[in-house]
Amino acid sequence: QVKLKESGGGVVQPGTSLRLSCAVSGLRMTRSSMQWIRQAPGKGPEWVALMWYAGGNRWYADSVRGRFIISRDDDKNILYLQMNSLRVDDTATYYCAKVYGSGWYADFWGEGTQVTVPS
Amino acid sequence: QSALTQPRSVSGSPGQSVTISCTGTNSDVGAYNYVSWYQQHPGKAPKLIIFDVNKRPSGVPDRFSGSKSANTASLTISGLQPDDEGDYYCCSYAGSSVLFGIGTRVTVL
Repeated sequence: QVKLKESGGGVVQPGTSLRLSCAVSGLRMTRSSMQWIRQAPGKGPEWVALMWYAGGNRWYADSVRGRFIISRDDDKNILYLQMNSLRVDDTATYYCAKVYGSGWYADFWGEGTQVTVPS
Repeated sequence: QSALTQPRSVSGSPGQSVTISCTGTNSDVGAYNYVSWYQQHPGKAPKLIIFDVNKRPSGVPDRFSGSKSANTASLTISGLQPDDEGDYYCCSYAGSSVLFGIGTRVTVL
């Protein structure tokens, strides 16, 4: 049974950094690609970043490229999102999700962790 | 890359059918048969209900169906039930990225 649990959210000032974690159980990230998806209040989801299961290839949305870094700890089975130079428009609930299929679908989701960057 | 366009809301009575459209471009919806749909209830994470344009994950009722023509995808919910009320988001692979729609609120009258 796949379970994903995000943590690390909070209220942070613009320009600062935050690291989100996603504890993964029921699968090994060396066999399953993983991604982060965020959702601002009252808005639709926005894809953020994806890490391929093999070789460590990573892809980012234009809005976060150069500021956010997706990584993982294979021994602990934890997915991370290092967020630097945070902006007001980064305010959202951040979900980690398992990648399924060639279309990069999200078939398993965590409950999300809230990140707030006040103006 | 702009979000995919969806109607803000649709509604129907129990037992009726509703269809939600999702319009993209020839760089996303029109370029790939990798369209998906997610259902979201308040305070919950989105749930995948359609992938590869018209396939349903295990456990999703066949009342949900998807289709695509050119740059527009559609989700049809047949036999509308009270639990179908919620937000629905289309999504498309866009070549090393993913685009979501703005969302459609489905109301069961």
